[in-house]
Amino acid sequence: AQSVTQLGSHVSVSEGALVLLRCNYSSSVPPYLFWYVQYPNQGLQLLLKYTSAATLVKGINGFEAEFKKSETSFHLTKPSAHMSDAAEYFCAVSSPQDSSYKLIFGSGTRLLVRP
Amino acid sequence: DTGVSQDPRHKITKRGQNVTFRCDPISEHNRLYWYRQTLGQGPEFLTYFQNEAQLEKSRLLSDRFSAERPKGSFSTLEIQRTEQGDSAMYLCASTPLGVETQYFGPGTRLLVL
Repeated sequence: AQSVTQLGSHVSVSEGALVLLRCNYSSSVPPYLFWYVQYPNQGLQLLLKYTSAATLVKGINGFEAEFKKSETSFHLTKPSAHMSDAAEYFCAVSSPQDSSYKLIFGSGTRLLVRP
Repeated sequence: DTGVSQDPRHKITKRGQNVTFRCDPISEHNRLYWYRQTLGQGPEFLTYFQNEAQLEKSRLLSDRFSAERPKGSFSTLEIQRTEQGDSAMYLCASTPLGVETQYFGPGTRLLVL
C-alpha cells in the first residue's frame, strides 16, 4: 500500500529565507507525486507534479521539487520565502498501476513566514 | 474555463439531519472524485466516478453516505443521519479520462452540532 510522510507539521521561516518542506513516500512502483497548497478555507491548488519525466520539477510561484528514488523523497523547495507563501502544503501520491489515480495525501505541513 | 465549483461552501446542521452537497466539475472532465478532510489532516479519498458510473468507494464511505452523478456532469454527496464525526471539509476534484492530475474545488465545510 502507498503512503506519504511529511516530516514537520509546522515549518517557520523568515521572509527571504529558503523554504524546505519534506515528503517521503512508500510505494512498490515509481509513483506519480504531487504538491498541493491550501490557503485557509479554500480547496487545494496544484503546485507541481512528477510523472516520470525530469526528476527536477518546477512549479508555480517559484517552487520546485526533486524526485529522488534512492531516498524515496520528493521535497519541496523555494529559494526565497514570501509572506504570501504562508499556507498548508500537502504532498500526495498516486499509482500509475491504479487506473483510479486516486490520491493518497500526507498530513500536511503548515508554513509560517516571519517578517 | 471555469474551475470546479461546490455548493454550499458552508453547512451547519444538527445531529441526525440529512445533508446534501453538490459538485460541478470542469466541463468535459470525465472523472469526478470526492475526498474528506478533517481538521489538521490531509484529504482522504471517499469515492470516484467515471462519467455516471461510480467505480470505487472507500471503506470510509459508510452506509449513511451516498454519492451520485446521474448524467455524468454534476455530482451530489448525501449524508444521512449526520453524526458529529462527520464534521469535516468535503472536497471535490475532477480530471479528464487518463490524466493523473486532479483539479480541486473550494470544498464544503460541514459542522454537525
